[in-house]
Amino acid sequence: DTGVSQDPRHKITKRGQNVTFRCDPISEHNRLYWYRQTLGQGPEFLTYFQNEAQLEKSRLLSDRFSAERPKGSFSTLEIQRTEQGDSAMYLCASSLGRASPYSGNTIYFGEGSWLTVV
Amino acid sequence: QQPVQSPQAVILREGEDAVINCSSSKALYSVHWYRQKHGEAPVFLMILLKGGEQKGHDKISASFNEKKQQSSLYLTASQLSYSGTYFCGTEEPEAGGTSYGKLTFGQGTILTVHP
Repeated sequence: DTGVSQDPRHKITKRGQNVTFRCDPISEHNRLYWYRQTLGQGPEFLTYFQNEAQLEKSRLLSDRFSAERPKGSFSTLEIQRTEQGDSAMYLCASSLGRASPYSGNTIYFGEGSWLTVV
Repeated sequence: QQPVQSPQAVILREGEDAVINCSSSKALYSVHWYRQKHGEAPVFLMILLKGGEQKGHDKISASFNEKKQQSSLYLTASQLSYSGTYFCGTEEPEAGGTSYGKLTFGQGTILTVHP
């Protein structure tokens, strides 16, 4: 399977615990995104990496949320002190960013990590 | 501000056609269309770049009117496998006319195809 993979697929945690999700993008893709999706809504952009640099993080929902991509390959999304409102599906996506403008970014999503905070 | 999709839901018989619209109040760099089945990841259908293009893939095609900031997805001769929620994701231009793929998604259109 050469798609975007995420782990774990499902996580149930108690309120106040920390959780970490991992994402492995498509191997040649230099851009990696995290989105959040709640029931009945479209995905909501959280943050974005180009290689190992986090170039956009203003949409992270609070300072409890952080993301890393230490070597420009896989990425982790950590949520500290989880709250019930954090329950959602966390989607990772990747694309091959091209240097020339107007070339577009075809973005491929992973299967998502479902988080339930009880 | 998220784009507005219409209709919110549509029910079809196999073989019927459907059109899903996506409208934004902002100037757009591109529009992306995805289909998502329950409990699964959004699956990429197509991307349309500014310039007013139209694309097609099998019996699914789309158009993008840059001046009106509107896109439409056309599904012809629908199949059972077309059932799912369709999302448009819009991308606004960044400085220098480039983009990096930050998408703002509509609320989705639920498409149900019956035999």
